[in-house]
Amino acid sequence: DVKVTQSSRYLVKRTGEKVFLECVQDMDHENMFWYRQDPGLGLRLIYFSYDVKMKEKGDIPEGYSVSREKKERFSLILESASTNQTSMYLCASSPTTRTQYFGPGTRLTVL
Amino acid sequence: TQLLEQSPQFLSIQEGENLTVYCNSSSVFSSLQWYRQEPGEGPVLLVTVVTGGEVKKLKRLTFQFGDARKDSSLHITAAQPGDTGLYLCAGVRSGAGSYQLTFGKGTKLSVIP
Repeated sequence: DVKVTQSSRYLVKRTGEKVFLECVQDMDHENMFWYRQDPGLGLRLIYFSYDVKMKEKGDIPEGYSVSREKKERFSLILESASTNQTSMYLCASSPTTRTQYFGPGTRLTVL
Repeated sequence: TQLLEQSPQFLSIQEGENLTVYCNSSSVFSSLQWYRQEPGEGPVLLVTVVTGGEVKKLKRLTFQFGDARKDSSLHITAAQPGDTGLYLCAGVRSGAGSYQLTFGKGTKLSVIP
């Protein structure tokens, strides 16, 4: 069975904190993605990676960075969290077939 | 930027009714996917349509890709409470980075028993 796991389901942080969101997939997929999902705005792509140590900006990369040191792990980093980064964060992975397999999401609240 | 517009945004119907959800764009997509997302979970792929005019059926769900590959529809027959969720369409972007998807904002469906 395909499995994408995210390190936390719920996370509460304070403004200015550095936040790490971890995503792990066990399917040997080349491509991994980070999205945020907000009511009325849908899913928006933050960053994606098509190989180890490779990364590309998505539609809304400002305020975020990513790291992919191993094929199975893709991390999203908020260098200095702000209240407008309160959101649901979804990680996905895909092979070359373009189907994306999503994790359960991390609901991040920044106070 | 390739955009996908979904309608309606919200839909609340009684069990047993039929419904159609639409996904429209001014851009051509090489293929289009439909996902369903249940509360507290990530989206799960339902179907991928690739050829213009293609129709795919998944039990009571019928998916159609427009002839010009710019739009798609999802029709549910005799809706059940288990169909409740957020339905998302996603188009595969053309060109470089072809593994990126453009998502619509979704249709939130509630089926009342």
